[in-house]
Amino acid sequence: AQKITQTQPGMFVQEKEAVTLDCTYDTSDQSYGLFWYKQPSSGEMIFLIYQGSYDEQNATEGRYSLNFQKARKSANLVISASQLGDSAMYFCAMREGGTASKLTFGTGTRLQVTL
Amino acid sequence: GAGVSQSPSNKVTEKGKDVELRCDPISGHTALYWYRQRLGQGLEFLIYFQGNSAPDKSGLPSDRFSAERTGESVSTLTIQRTQQEDSAVYLCASSLAYRLAEQYFGPGTRLTVT
Repeated sequence: AQKITQTQPGMFVQEKEAVTLDCTYDTSDQSYGLFWYKQPSSGEMIFLIYQGSYDEQNATEGRYSLNFQKARKSANLVISASQLGDSAMYFCAMREGGTASKLTFGTGTRLQVTL
Repeated sequence: GAGVSQSPSNKVTEKGKDVELRCDPISGHTALYWYRQRLGQGLEFLIYFQGNSAPDKSGLPSDRFSAERTGESVSTLTIQRTQQEDSAVYLCASSLAYRLAEQYFGPGTRLTVT
């Protein structure tokens, strides 16, 4: 079974609209962390937002928020007020266990923001 | 520089040759990670260094792959007897000891094996 599943290979959104990128995960650990990264065409991975499994509040960072639904094992990224510069690949990732080491990544969603 | 740097940015090599890829982490970051990203795919974990602890090598795909790190500084990833399936972007990341969850990535090295 995939540890991280991103079911949307590509998404379109109009500028200034909000968009939700889906991510579901699979783990038997009680302690884990969920991440979203942005990868523009330049190739660099940019950290966006983090949610710990014990965090009660959904994480927010500026225009990014993480809709964490623990029972459903989903960690969707919401981008509000989309901008042209948001066009990129977006990867969901998970760290399992109490200590951080490797991240397991999903296959990504390509977001295209249109005028 | 403020970020993680990697060199070379691009490497083309012939099948069977050895290659070395270099990563300079952010100063003060004790944790360092190597990932591989094949075309159109997500990132695959390769290896993780944290301070003086034994590295987590669980992601290395074969014994042709090895990595070293001197103290808390530069790391090199070596691929021996390269194969065409090794063609990928190799990404390095680093993080602080007390914020291991937050990894900062370098620009990657694009390796092409012909």
